[in-house]
Amino acid sequence: GAVVSQHPSWVICKSGTSVKIECRSLDFQATTMFWYRQFPKQSLMLMATSNEGSKATYEQGVEKDKFLINHASLTLSTLTVTSAHPEDSSFYICSASSGNQETQYFGPGTRLLVL
Amino acid sequence: DAKTTQPTSMDCAEGRAANLPCNHSTISGNEYVYWYRQIHSQGPQYIIHGLKNNETNEMASLIITEDRKSSTLILPHATLRDTAVYYCIATRIQGAQKLVFGQGTRLTINP
Repeated sequence: GAVVSQHPSWVICKSGTSVKIECRSLDFQATTMFWYRQFPKQSLMLMATSNEGSKATYEQGVEKDKFLINHASLTLSTLTVTSAHPEDSSFYICSASSGNQETQYFGPGTRLLVL
Repeated sequence: DAKTTQPTSMDCAEGRAANLPCNHSTISGNEYVYWYRQIHSQGPQYIIHGLKNNETNEMASLIITEDRKSSTLILPHATLRDTAVYYCIATRIQGAQKLVFGQGTRLTINP
């Protein structure tokens, strides 16, 4: 149990385009989903927290207009990187939790390369 | 959330027990100790967590000192597939858990 999937697993796009990444909880209802970013040789950094049906809460320094998060259902959250630039190239990882005091389970990650 | 301190790297022979220490001397009473690991180019994998009692599951054992200022993750019979970065995280019980990842311990299992 507690499986989280992400799609796509990797994506290459041109600078200036937008990219959407999906995060799904496959066998549980995720009231809370988190989005992390990991640059090479660095640790994971939390970008935002989203609760189903409400606006995401962004960490300091993360542009909410650039990284659009939608958590419209209990099994799906999406992260859209708008007007992507090469510096947005990174490993994006989501996690999901079924509620307060519940363990977070992570997806396999999506590697984004912006040319 | 309390800061955690872990050794940067460790080596262990295949088949032996791997003991990974973590210091969380400023942990508060409402914070759990969580362990995750990240195998290269994959998302983190949940291993185990605990509050004050020792815990064991099919993956590992977690030993928490009585004063809760440190803990040890034990992989009883390490295999090559256990090579990964291991993260020890202290996070509060109430509310959405914001996991703050440090640099972790890079564990290498040697044949």
